[in-house]
This record gives sequence, structure tokens and C-alpha cells, in this order.
Amino acid sequence: GAVVSQHPSWVICKSGTSVKIECRSLDFQATTMFWYRQFPKKSLMLMATSNEGSKATYEQGVEKDKFLINHASLTLSTLTVTSAHPEDSSFYICSARGDRKETQYFGPGTRLLVL
Amino acid sequence: AQSVTQLGSHVSVSEGALVLLRCNYSSSVPPYLFWYVQYPNQGLQLLLKYTTGATLVKGINGFEAEFKKSETSFHLTKPSAHMSDAAEYFCAVRLTGTASKLTFGTGTRLQVTL
Repeated sequence: GAVVSQHPSWVICKSGTSVKIECRSLDFQATTMFWYRQFPKKSLMLMATSNEGSKATYEQGVEKDKFLINHASLTLSTLTVTSAHPEDSSFYICSARGDRKETQYFGPGTRLLVL
Repeated sequence: AQSVTQLGSHVSVSEGALVLLRCNYSSSVPPYLFWYVQYPNQGLQLLLKYTTGATLVKGINGFEAEFKKSETSFHLTKPSAHMSDAAEYFCAVRLTGTASKLTFGTGTRLQVTL
């Protein structure tokens, strides 16, 4: 199957700082990328959907100024958590969908801990 | 709008026993259906999917699922459980439009005992 990578896999930061997470599709062009947040022992919560070259579409309740998403190319999307706070600590997972469109492939996730 | 229900948040089977994880969906149009597996501290890995055609779908690691439109179900099965199958399993549904998004079930944690 298609491969999606995320970097970093783990990040610990101080409260008030910003953290950038990268998501890359390694062997296909991702026309659409998705960012999810997963709380312990819970399902995935979709945060936003981004199409290459256009602004991300955020789900209801997700602060777009806090979670900045950029999808500048067909293989790269970034999520920046701005002015992070301890409540932003979570497991963030990206997903990408290519031109076949029916299947989403997921990255390995990034665990963020805000102290 | 579509939705997914996974019956049983936790399933425990003995090694070598049949695995059955239940998934029922609600959709106004024929959907795409997926099963993903998540190992601890990892992302999701696609196990199998149904889009069109044969209703019995075979996936990786010996898993298979059958799309039953009349029952709006897409249950996941494996004839013989292995210890390495212990993980969280998510059923997901998506409508066929390109702008449609995946909707996940709440997940089922599979425990495999000796």
C-alpha cells in the first residue's frame, strides 16, 4: 500500500511555544490530506481537510488560528499547533488520499506533550 | 450523513479461535467501507476495503469482511486468532463522492489470550 510518513513521531514542548508536524506521502501524490486528533482509548476526531494549494476546511469546534494547516505541495502537509497548551497534548495523525480517491492512507502519528 | 456502529468496545478470544468484530453502518447511498487496525502508539493501517464488486473482501493478515447490504453490516472475521492480532480495530465508512470524508466507529480492542 501507499506510504505516509510523519515527523516528528514524538515532541515535547513548553507551554506557549509552537510546534510543527509534517506529513508526507512518499510514493503517491496526495490531492487531499486530513488531520486527526486521537484521545487516549478513543476514536479519531477529524480536525481538518486540506486540498493542495487551497485553504484547509476545518471541522466545527476546531480553532483554525490555533491549528494552522498548510498543504503546499502534493506530497507535503504541515500542522502547526500555535501557542500550545497542556490541553493540546494528544496523538495527531495525518492521512492522505491520492487520485484513486477511495482509500485514505494514514501516517504513524505524532505524540505531542505540552508541559 | 453516514455513521458507523461497532458493537463491543472490547473483544477477547483465545489464540486459534475465530475472530469476529462487528460493524454496522448507516448511509443514504451505497458506501465505501473500510477496516483499519491500530497497534499501540502507531497510526492506522488499512486491513481491507469494500468499494464495488465482490461482497466478500479479503485483506491482509488473514482477515476478511463481507458487505451485507440487507443487514447494513461489514463484519470483520479471521478464522484463527494469533497473538499478534491484538490491537485496536476501526471500521469506517465513506460516501462515494470525492469530497466525502471517512467516518470512524468508536473502535474495538481485540485481546488474544493463550
